[in-house]
Amino acid sequence: GAVVSQHPSRVICKSGTSVKIECRSLDFQATTMFWYRQFPKQSLMLMATSNEGSKATYEQGVEKDKFLINHASLTLSTLTVTSAHPEDSSFYICSAAVDGDANYGYTFGSGTRLTVV
Amino acid sequence: DQQVKQNSPSLSVQEGRISILNCDYTNSMFDYFLWYKKYPAEGPTFLISISSIKDKNEDGRFTVFLNKSAKHLSLHIVPSQPGDSAVYFCAASNPGTYKYIFGTGTRLKVLA
Repeated sequence: GAVVSQHPSRVICKSGTSVKIECRSLDFQATTMFWYRQFPKQSLMLMATSNEGSKATYEQGVEKDKFLINHASLTLSTLTVTSAHPEDSSFYICSAAVDGDANYGYTFGSGTRLTVV
Repeated sequence: DQQVKQNSPSLSVQEGRISILNCDYTNSMFDYFLWYKKYPAEGPTFLISISSIKDKNEDGRFTVFLNKSAKHLSLHIVPSQPGDSAVYFCAASNPGTYKYIFGTGTRLKVLA
């Protein structure tokens, strides 16, 4: 089946620094990837939709200048948390949609636990 | 406004019995629903889906029921196994979109 690889799985960074999270579709091409964020005991919240070769579409309330998304190829999307603050500490998960698959958005990465100190 | 709701944050079931996880939604335009299973510090794993044109879909021990008039879906796991212990999320999408809206999850604990 389709596999999505997400790295790193855990990262600790200092306030004010930037962190890049990668999401790769290993055995399929993903025109569209999604970035989610999950706070403890809360639902997965969609942050943005990443389309290969075009600008990402951000959900309401998500700062596009803070959460930079790049989808430069059909197999790679990156999320960069810029000037990180402790309140950015969260669990970030990507999901990739398999082109032509009626079962949209099935495949998730394993997630990245970001801790900003 | 929470469009997809899972009102039970947790559920405990004896091994071998049936687990029933519930999900309610408010948007009648949703046309596709999924259930995911999630272990701590991991990404969700797809379990089963159902289209709005159906009222039941079965896959092994997992069955999803959809009641469109009540805007309610449920996931039945039978027989429940200790390995089923995880957080279960339901998710829904609008027609022609890849975007899913997730419920808040129900933590299932299957007791041996």
